[in-house]
Amino acid sequence: NAGVTQTPKFRILKIGQSMTLQCAQDMNHNYMYWYRQDPGMGLKLIYYSVGAGITDKGEVPNGYNVSRSTTEDFPLRLELAAPSQTSVYFCASSGMGQGYGYTFGSGTRLTVV
Amino acid sequence: GENVEQHPSTLSVQEGDSAVIKCTYSDSASNYFPWYKQELGKRPQLIIDIRSNVGEKKDQRIAVTLNKTAKHFSLHITETQPEDSAVYFCAAGLHSGGGADGLTFGKGTHLIIQP
Repeated sequence: NAGVTQTPKFRILKIGQSMTLQCAQDMNHNYMYWYRQDPGMGLKLIYYSVGAGITDKGEVPNGYNVSRSTTEDFPLRLELAAPSQTSVYFCASSGMGQGYGYTFGSGTRLTVV
Repeated sequence: GENVEQHPSTLSVQEGDSAVIKCTYSDSASNYFPWYKQELGKRPQLIIDIRSNVGEKKDQRIAVTLNKTAKHFSLHITETQPEDSAVYFCAAGLHSGGGADGLTFGKGTHLIIQP
C-alpha cells in the first residue's frame, strides 16, 4: 500500500514549456486534490475531484488543467509555464477510511526559469 | 469562500512547556477542522482533526478545541519535545459522505522548541 505517489520529485522548466505532474493513489479514495505551497503562504487549492470524471476549480486554477479518468489517477497539467508557477506542488486524497483527513503525496518542487 | 487566519506565525517555547496555536474561520458552514504538521522538506501529515459536533478532542499530548459560535479553533501541545519542532497548519472545510471537500489552510505556524 503506497498511499499517494507523486512524480517527478523535482523539475526545472523553461518559460512557455509544458509538463504534467503525475499523482496516483491506491487507497480507493474518491476525493483527490492538488495544492501549491509557496513560502509563508500555506497551501492553496488548485483543483479537486470528488470522483472519476468530475473535477472542480479551487482557489488558484489559472494556468493549470486536470483530468480524472480513473479513481486512482489525478494528473495536473501546466500548459505554458510561467515564473509565477514556481512552487512546491502537493497532491492529496481523502476518503471514509481515513476519517476524512488528507493523505498527501511527497510533493513536486517545480522551478520555472 | 472560506478564509482561515492562523496565529502566531512563529512560536518559540521551552522544552516541556505548552504551546497553543489559534485559528479563526469565516464560513459558518464549515464543519471539519484538521491540523497538519510539516517537517522541513517533508509532506504535511494529519495529526488531529475535529468535527463541528464536538467541542474538544484529545490524543495523548495533543488536543484541539472548537468554538463554533466564535468561529475559532485551537491546537494545544503539552510537555513539548524537540521532535515537535515543525510548521503546523490549521484548515477548515466541509466534510461530506465520501470525504473532505477542498480544505482552506491557514498560513502556518513555525513552532520552535528551545532545549
